[in-house]
Amino acid sequence: SQQGEEDPQALSIQEGENATMNCSYKTSINNLQWYRQNSGRGLVHLILIRSNEREKHSGRLRVTLDTSKKSSSLLITASRAADTASYFCVWGKDAGKSTFGDGTTLTVKP
Amino acid sequence: GAGVSQSPRYKVAKRGQDVALRCDPISGHVSLFWYQQALGQGPEFLTYFQNEAQLDKSGLPSDRFFAERPEGSVSTLKIQRTQQEDSAVYLCASSLAAVMNTEAFFGQGTRLTVV
Repeated sequence: SQQGEEDPQALSIQEGENATMNCSYKTSINNLQWYRQNSGRGLVHLILIRSNEREKHSGRLRVTLDTSKKSSSLLITASRAADTASYFCVWGKDAGKSTFGDGTTLTVKP
Repeated sequence: GAGVSQSPRYKVAKRGQDVALRCDPISGHVSLFWYQQALGQGPEFLTYFQNEAQLDKSGLPSDRFFAERPEGSVSTLKIQRTQQEDSAVYLCASSLAAVMNTEAFFGQGTRLTVV
């Protein structure tokens, strides 16, 4: 994507392991969000981190943000089969338009 | 309803046909967004409304695409003279806030197939 990218594109792990996904973007931002998408529930918001925050936790999720490097990471600890989905980072600055990364497809094997 | 509702869920259109996709946002949500998602890719921004005002339509691919939200609630995305490259899932989202980007709630999408 010309706006940013996520890596890896695909990740396959065993249940119980941790999964880390990375996101890079190219513009200045007010905040960055992570969303999950699977066929059953569509796109679901996971967590939002503001540009003046460096780390945020929510349950088994940990997000970091480095605005100097224009990058973010999402860590899912103790993964479950139900975590199998595509994960997108989403960033924006002005009201309205938000840009999605290309996504990481996570497969958690039971 | 409890969430964002989109209809129809699936639409097959013959090339050249006009289509209209409907979005019912969460009641009271000020902001409404349309995104286009091609297979295997992330959603691409199309347009944004704040109440009835269309504040950003920079993502609309061509003048065949038109969106409206006349009463600041339900929105319709219209595609005229559909072409095969319009085949995609069209996602609608709404959010409570008007000023800054905040959590958005997405509908299940309309899968458009142009044949």
